[in-house]
Amino acid sequence: KQEVTQIPAALSVPEGENLVLNCSFTDSAIYNLQWFRQDPGKGLTSLLLIQSSQREQTSGRLNASLDKSSGRSTLYIAASQPGDSATYLCAVTYSGNTPLVFGKGTRLSVIA
Amino acid sequence: SAVISQKPSRDICQRGTSLTIQCQVDSQVTMMFWYRQQPGQSLTLIATANQGSEATYESGFVIDKFPISRPNLTFSTLTVSNMSPEDSSIYLCSVDGGWGNTIYFGEGSWLTVV
Repeated sequence: KQEVTQIPAALSVPEGENLVLNCSFTDSAIYNLQWFRQDPGKGLTSLLLIQSSQREQTSGRLNASLDKSSGRSTLYIAASQPGDSATYLCAVTYSGNTPLVFGKGTRLSVIA
Repeated sequence: SAVISQKPSRDICQRGTSLTIQCQVDSQVTMMFWYRQQPGQSLTLIATANQGSEATYESGFVIDKFPISRPNLTFSTLTVSNMSPEDSSIYLCSVDGGWGNTIYFGEGSWLTVV
């Protein structure tokens, strides 16, 4: 069964800290991996997409890495801000035009 | 990128009634996906909707409970039938953008069944 696990489930950090969110997947034959942000009661916002042939993607203060062989991805957030507080979801897909398999998310709180 | 509009954004529904959620995309897409997110949980796929064919449902979801329409390449509806409090969830529509296969989501429809 294809499963995605995210650790930790929740994280609280002071403003300005750098932090890492972890994602692991049981079946390494992924097509791509995507990180999303979800604010309470809202939909999902795509943050970064990593194709299976790529090792990392960067957008502003966010950097996502992918180690496909070991079934792991990390999302690095630099210089965290209170506005970064949200749930971060990792999801994988196993071919084009197929649905995502989601982790349960990491709930991040950045304290001012 | 794809812009997805969902309606309603939020509703409070009576037990035993049905509600139809609409999903409109600003471009033509082959496949649309419907997800459910129960309180405090991650997303679970309900079904995949292709234009011109029957939707494909995941294990645990059936057409009688969650009928789906896909009349064209930019629109889909999901109906939640004979609702019970256990159906209280956020229902999300998503599409494959086709541009590097980024998946885009609507804002979601937050249903509370009382």
